[in-house]
Amino acid sequence: QSVLTQPPSASGTPGQRVTMSCSGSSSDIGSNYVNWYQQVPGAAPKLLIYRNDQRPSGIPDRFSGSKSGTSASLAISGLRSEDETDYYCAAWDDSLSGYVFGTGTKVTVL
Amino acid sequence: QVQLVESGGRVVQPGMSLGLSCAASGFTFGSYGMHWVRQAPGKGLEWVAFIWYDGSKKYYVDSVKGRFIIARDNSKNTVYLRMNSLRAEDTAVYFCARDGRAASLDYWGQGTLVTVSS
Repeated sequence: QSVLTQPPSASGTPGQRVTMSCSGSSSDIGSNYVNWYQQVPGAAPKLLIYRNDQRPSGIPDRFSGSKSGTSASLAISGLRSEDETDYYCAAWDDSLSGYVFGTGTKVTVL
Repeated sequence: QVQLVESGGRVVQPGMSLGLSCAASGFTFGSYGMHWVRQAPGKGLEWVAFIWYDGSKKYYVDSVKGRFIIARDNSKNTVYLRMNSLRAEDTAVYFCARDGRAASLDYWGQGTLVTVSS
């Protein structure tokens, strides 16, 4: 089963803007919405962004998503210490008839 | 509020079977599709299976096709995962999650640990 490709790590200092990419193909990101999840180690994932760029209720506007073609990105502005954790992109894949997750990006706040 | 509570995880030997349950509350269960997602120790998230709101369609990741079965009982607000012919590589925390808008998994349970070891 294919996965979406994310950089293993990203970092920034408090207050900075950090971005991370998510690369897919025509059958997943290219054809469907991208969603982003935040996961603190040892806890369940939490939905951060849905439908490419929409935030669920309670998610601060520091988090933003975008999509272009077969790639997507997540940006965190005004980086805070509590943002130091793991982030995953995901999308439905039409050719696999299944949901695929990204490889995950660990954000470090320096 | 929406709650998903998984149960059934334990240590089993390779080749054995195990059933997981996920009890839902706080929403109209029969109106939502449900997913199972797993996470091996120290690894990333892997989607396992999805079942439509009415159970009419089911989808699986290739690595579990023919071994795992997803099912639901809308009268009991519960989704199940029957896992047969378990392998060491099935060792993971298994999460159930609700299928929300735009195929997002909008609510997750706390997970249940399955360990396949002799």
